[in-house]
Amino acid sequence: DGGITQSPKYLFRKEGQNVTLSCEQNLNHDAMYWYRQDPGQGLRLIYYSQIVNDFQKGDIAEGYSVSREKKESFPLTVTSAQKNPTAFYLCASNIAGANEKLFFGSGTQLSVL
Amino acid sequence: AQSVTQLGSHVSVSEGALVLLRCNYSSSVPPYLFWYVQYPNQGLQLLLKYTSAATLVKGINGFEAEFKKSETSFHLTKPSAHMSDAAEYFCAVSSTSGTYKYIFGTGTRLKVLA
Repeated sequence: DGGITQSPKYLFRKEGQNVTLSCEQNLNHDAMYWYRQDPGQGLRLIYYSQIVNDFQKGDIAEGYSVSREKKESFPLTVTSAQKNPTAFYLCASNIAGANEKLFFGSGTQLSVL
Repeated sequence: AQSVTQLGSHVSVSEGALVLLRCNYSSSVPPYLFWYVQYPNQGLQLLLKYTSAATLVKGINGFEAEFKKSETSFHLTKPSAHMSDAAEYFCAVSSTSGTYKYIFGTGTRLKVLA
């Protein structure tokens, strides 16, 4: 079945540590996105990529980094510069276009130890 | 700049009652509008989308939404709530500026009372 796979489902970060969240899709979608979800704040865009080897900052990119070396993969690194990383992280993808729906993964809950 | 406002972070309805979740948008150009649903600890899935073909849009699970340009609204309704409708609902607008960014509302958590 086609879809988006996020791993791990739960992740714990120690102070000063970088952690990487995985996102893989087999839908052959060009565009991929990372969102952060906090209670009562909806989804906020961290980074997005419309094509391989290219990505743009979203609204809250500080403290995060991404890469897009393959069409199917868009990993997100939460760096030690992100001082409040505890949140639910969602990866999404779609066929690039303004009226195209987003397909979401099942999310990764990141917590600080 | 485009934006989305969802009125009411929590809505409670009795089973069998009408569901009405409110969404207002701000856009200088005709927008693309979406409603997504999220069940606990899961990703979002599309309920329905408006792309200017028709002002009344029917979605999955008996939900529908009406685009009203004069009111800049895109409210989500369902005639009769079911216990399985309990979830969080997000309204979203797609940017038409060429970047294809999606802007989400803050969400409305629907509780269905037996």
